[in-house]
Amino acid sequence: QVQLVESGGGVVQPGGSLRLSCAASGFILSQYGIHWVRQAPGKGLEWVAFIRNDGSKKYYAVSVEGRFTLSRDSPKNTLYLQMLSLSAEDTAVYYCATRGPLTDFDYWGQGTLVTVSS
Amino acid sequence: QSALTQPASVSGSPGQSITISCTGTSSDVGEYNYLSWYQQHPGKAPKLIIYDVDNRPSGVSNRFSASKSGITASLTISGLQAEDEADYYCSSYTSSSILYVFGTGTKVTVL
Repeated sequence: QVQLVESGGGVVQPGGSLRLSCAASGFILSQYGIHWVRQAPGKGLEWVAFIRNDGSKKYYAVSVEGRFTLSRDSPKNTLYLQMLSLSAEDTAVYYCATRGPLTDFDYWGQGTLVTVSS
Repeated sequence: QSALTQPASVSGSPGQSITISCTGTSSDVGEYNYLSWYQQHPGKAPKLIIYDVDNRPSGVSNRFSASKSGITASLTISGLQAEDEADYYCSSYTSSSILYVFGTGTKVTVL
């Protein structure tokens, strides 16, 4: 069945960088688009980025445009979110979710926590 | 692009019905039927419970129903149960560059 597993979160200093991974199983990345959604502690959900299933287009929220970059490794069936120039406002649990057989955000990973703190 | 507006909290007794609203604009909720609802228990990932305004994924209880009118969508939980206590979020596709917008979230408490 469709499964997403995020990893790569941790504690990073302000101004630092981090790369998150979203490993997919049960499907091939070329089948479904992938979203990243984040949730700051005690806050709501915020859409972050999206890559089409064919990788042809990438979209980013205004709050991360120019700092976050999507990429993927097809042989590893894994999507990456490279995050640069991190600030406290980027502290959140980051989820990846599919644009899958039903709709956007139909399958979610368990999330990975990113904490930006000195 | 602002988040869709939801009430901060809604409560009800077991067996009752409650309704959560989700208000957007003519650029999101009012324009598209890509309107979904999610249930999130503490410490867990969100779970899709309604998509395309009023469709339930396989395995989701038929106690969950939804609708949309104009710029406002609604989620109704019938026969409220203790396990329904969770946070609920709506989302909509938007014509703005941000692609998708989520609601502010509603905490449902079962009294």
